[in-house]
Amino acid sequence: DADVTQTPRNRITKTGKRIMLECSQTKGHDRMYWYRQDPGLGLRLIYYSFDVKDINKGEISDGYSVSRQAQAKFSLSLESAIPNQTALYFCATSDPSSGGIYNEQFFGPGTRLTVL
Amino acid sequence: AQSVAQPEDQVNVAEGNPLTVKCTYSVSGNPYLFWYVQYPNRGLQFLLKYITGDNLVKGSYGFEAEFNKSQTSFHLKKPSALVSDSALYFCAVRDRGSTLGRLYFGRGTQLTVWP
Repeated sequence: DADVTQTPRNRITKTGKRIMLECSQTKGHDRMYWYRQDPGLGLRLIYYSFDVKDINKGEISDGYSVSRQAQAKFSLSLESAIPNQTALYFCATSDPSSGGIYNEQFFGPGTRLTVL
Repeated sequence: AQSVAQPEDQVNVAEGNPLTVKCTYSVSGNPYLFWYVQYPNRGLQFLLKYITGDNLVKGSYGFEAEFNKSQTSFHLKKPSALVSDSALYFCAVRDRGSTLGRLYFGRGTQLTVWP
């Protein structure tokens, strides 16, 4: 979905490095999410934010931090990357105020991260 | 606790045959249910949802899903499969009564349609 963009699309890094994944959206949605996808495990929620001042941990937040710089931007950081953080990372948005599409989430194209 | 189960990791069907991708859910209250599709090297795309009303929900690309409350299921179906339907399919659920608004996803089912 071109309305949700993620940078970089691919990244290879080394153990112990700090890395930031960025997400931007032009949909005007308040809610933003970070997921990781691993084969056979589906999508697991890392962090979510309901507005600029509200950030919540998901089910697998250890080793990650986030920053909601503006309504349109939500960044995910790995302070010290480790190999088991190798995964496909997705950002998503949703708008609960739009009743007909309540909680439908719109996904970015993903960032493939490899930690060596 | 809220959860979604997709009992089949893979589903293989011949083009032109009907397809079913299974999903069962567990929520404490009434559910919102969703299906998403992921094509290779792409993000997830919304297919359809059940919020309330008719148990048979129609979505994009000719897909439909049937909500069955007694069986806590929300199976995805299509009467005639296409090779282009080959993709990874995810079922997701949200408890209608939850104020957190987050979705819980299944592990995904890889659908392969053979020509």
